[in-house]
Amino acid sequence: GDKVKQSPSALSLQEGTNSALRCNFSIAATTVQWFLQNPRGSLINLFYLVPGTKENGRLKSAFDSKESYSTLHIRDAQLEDSGTYFCAAEARNYAQGLTFGLGTRVSVFP
Amino acid sequence: DPKIIQKPKYLVAVTGSEKILICEQYLGHNAMYWYRQSAKKPLEFMFSYSYQKLMDNQTASSRFQPQSSKKNHLDLQITALKPDDSATYFCASSQDHSDYTFGSGTRLLVI
Repeated sequence: GDKVKQSPSALSLQEGTNSALRCNFSIAATTVQWFLQNPRGSLINLFYLVPGTKENGRLKSAFDSKESYSTLHIRDAQLEDSGTYFCAAEARNYAQGLTFGLGTRVSVFP
Repeated sequence: DPKIIQKPKYLVAVTGSEKILICEQYLGHNAMYWYRQSAKKPLEFMFSYSYQKLMDNQTASSRFQPQSSKKNHLDLQITALKPDDSATYFCASSQDHSDYTFGSGTRLLVI
């Protein structure tokens, strides 16, 4: 988790509220991916990003390669958004695979 | 239908034994990977295969050997199992190293 630092480590959200998760990179990331690991343990791909932003429903993500960070915004949180969110960075050398952060555990309550 | 099939879902093994974890992907992707998730550690990259060839810079111990018998298969053979090998092992695939799709994982417990 040193090369990819995620914050906060845990988050408790009331349904309907908004929040932001962040990743800071100490490696030269060329692309970033965000995943949700649901309570059953499955890893679901949310975003694949080159520098820029993407939006999908209530989720929006941005990646700034020059400042070495990425963000994930959750709008109008729902109960099914609960789980652990991971960001992962890929460097130019694909042989190194993805470098993951330790995750942000999100709990959404009614 | 699951797009990446990992078998078995759960596995209990005795220290010193050998096991093979199975992975098949039906996405037509040209790259496959193995990752390991242990408690309180980040998901850890193990292997990357592109066009059925192992890419350099593998980080795993030599007790872990990937095996690719077919284009859409990437199995993981683990020899001389140790309790520290207990973890969930995830297989993943992508097209040209873009967005990854992960399998549901194999939870391995070594006793």
